[in-house]
Amino acid sequence: GEDVEQSLFLSVREGDSSVINCTYTDSSSTYLYWYKQEPGAGLQLLTYIFSNMDMTQDQRLTVLLNKKDKHLSLRIADTQTGDSAIYFCAEDYGGATNKLIFGTGTLLAVQP
Amino acid sequence: DTEVTQTPKHLVMGMTNKKSLKCEQHMGHRAMYWYKQKAKKPPELMFVYSYEKLSINESVPSRFSPECPNSSLLNLHLHALQPEDSALYLCASSPTVPTGGVISPLHFGNGTRLTVT
Repeated sequence: GEDVEQSLFLSVREGDSSVINCTYTDSSSTYLYWYKQEPGAGLQLLTYIFSNMDMTQDQRLTVLLNKKDKHLSLRIADTQTGDSAIYFCAEDYGGATNKLIFGTGTLLAVQP
Repeated sequence: DTEVTQTPKHLVMGMTNKKSLKCEQHMGHRAMYWYKQKAKKPPELMFVYSYEKLSINESVPSRFSPECPNSSLLNLHLHALQPEDSALYLCASSPTVPTGGVISPLHFGNGTRLTVT
């Protein structure tokens, strides 16, 4: 299968910015997504980006997409302790099928 | 609170048992999904239903049997499972299965944590 890679762990201090990176594999993906998973819970859609865009911004969240390098990043401004969770990027493998392939997940730990 | 409801939250079953996982949504979504998530791993797609018809089966063993009785309900029937099937089973729904590049994002339930003994 295809691997979507993320770094395993990121630790930041409260109030700092967090940047979570993702390298995906399918250049035909239509949308790329960021999901958040808190302990014992399902996945919550945070934001997404259409593949022909370079950047989206929604309040504290900024997504950057480098399609040439197949690199996606999520920046969380003013990180709070409530942001501590596992973050998954996801691509719709084959484009527009909702057959999402999830990244390996990054555990974000926010220190007070 | 999630708008996709899964029951039960936890399930322990023996290898000879038959049990069912249930998923319900009342958002009018016409696509529903089962994902399996092992500990410290990303979710992996198992099945996709579109308009109550099975559209994707990711080569899942027949001991897992999905059923979509109507557009709001999705079941996963379990029989003769193995200990390695222990995982978090996530249900999701989306307005449709997208076509033409129109986004139809997935909404996930909180999952059923299954332990097979």
